[in-house]
Amino acid sequence: DAGITQSPRHKVTETGTPVTLRCHQTENHRYMYWYRQDPGHGLRLIHYSYGVKDTDKGEVSDGYSVSRSKTEDFLLTLESATSSQTSVYFCATSGEGLTDTQYFGPGTRLTVL
Amino acid sequence: AQSVTQLGSHVSVSEGALVLLRCNYSSSVPPYLFWYVQYPNQGLQLLLKYTSAATLVKGINGFEAEFKKSETSFHLTKPSAHMSDAAEYFCAVKGSYKLSFGAGTTVTVRA
Repeated sequence: DAGITQSPRHKVTETGTPVTLRCHQTENHRYMYWYRQDPGHGLRLIHYSYGVKDTDKGEVSDGYSVSRSKTEDFLLTLESATSSQTSVYFCATSGEGLTDTQYFGPGTRLTVL
Repeated sequence: AQSVTQLGSHVSVSEGALVLLRCNYSSSVPPYLFWYVQYPNQGLQLLLKYTSAATLVKGINGFEAEFKKSETSFHLTKPSAHMSDAAEYFCAVKGSYKLSFGAGTTVTVRA
């Protein structure tokens, strides 16, 4: 498995506060992804990165921003958290091949009160 | 746009019985298809993937899947369920370096 860590693993916050989740990889993979997982929806892509400082939106990007200043780190920021952003967030990475596997981190459980 | 549909959000099987999880895809180009498994409170782990090399793909833990273009399907099977197979399973299709997931199927195994 790819060496992917996420921090924090659990977080409880209040509506309106900013929140940053961190993903760190040790595999030097070019691509990195942020997903959210909600019951009945599977995993939905929030944002992804195809290189340092190169990012793009996924299908559920509203209310989220990302940054990637180093190959190994990909940050997800909720500028002003809302209760609808309560979810489990997963980071993933993959290499450059079209058929390369995406490897997933352990997830961050975020609760917005 | 590429997408997958998983038929059945819950499947219950007896230990030792066949496991069959259904996935149909929609794609305008030859698809790259994946099955992942998620155990409680863990991330997703790759079971197997189809990359056009062979239509019958064998994965980990005794699972396999068959790509059928005529039926636009990529169903996952295991001949004999084990208690440790209780988990959630996701089918996914890859396009433009991004995965699109199905809603998932939760498998319970009865002793």
